[in-house]
Amino acid sequence: EVQLVESGGGLVQPGGSLRLSCAASGFIFSSYEMNWVRQAPGKGLEWVSYISSSGSTIYYADFVKGRFTISRDNAKNSLYLQMNSLRAEDTAVYYCARRRGGWLDPWGQGTLVTVSS
Amino acid sequence: EIVLTQSPATLSLSPGERATLSCRASQSVSSYLAWYQQKPGQAPRLLIYDASNRATGIPARFSGSGSGTDFTLTISSLEPEDFAVYYCQQRSDWPLTFGGGTKVEIE
Repeated sequence: EVQLVESGGGLVQPGGSLRLSCAASGFIFSSYEMNWVRQAPGKGLEWVSYISSSGSTIYYADFVKGRFTISRDNAKNSLYLQMNSLRAEDTAVYYCARRRGGWLDPWGQGTLVTVSS
Repeated sequence: EIVLTQSPATLSLSPGERATLSCRASQSVSSYLAWYQQKPGQAPRLLIYDASNRATGIPARFSGSGSGTDFTLTISSLEPEDFAVYYCQQRSDWPLTFGGGTKVEIE
């Protein structure tokens, strides 16, 4: 069974940092591109970042450029999102999602990041 | 960036009724459009990809149509488990963008 499990969320003060992880299982992780998508409480979905299967190509949404860094460790079947200079508006559930045939499938269950003093 | 506008924001229907959801793109996305379903407290699930193809395990009552800038998701006869929020998403260009969602609620 294909499974994605996020971890690392929590409460952090404005300006702080957090590192999210996504553990993948049930498929050949190194063959798939991956994404992070977030959802603020009660709001819609917002794409955050993309990384190619080898890690050589990376894209970010403008609102996280320079603050967030996506990475992966194919030997550990893991995806990461390093988040620095966090703001209140970064408060959201963060999902990792596999890119399959160009689409996001499946998604993990998400991890909640709360930025507040 | 490509803006996706979904309508209506809320659709109030009864089980057994037909649901028609719309997604309009600010510029052509060809057929590079998907639909996702999200239930409360759950992650989104891929329903339809490339505008009209059902994802694995998705019932035949779900269908998608359209190309270019105008797309439709149709649920032919609503089952109790179909009441949820539906999002469209384009992959024609970066950044990936989502519509604001349509909530299908029980009338």
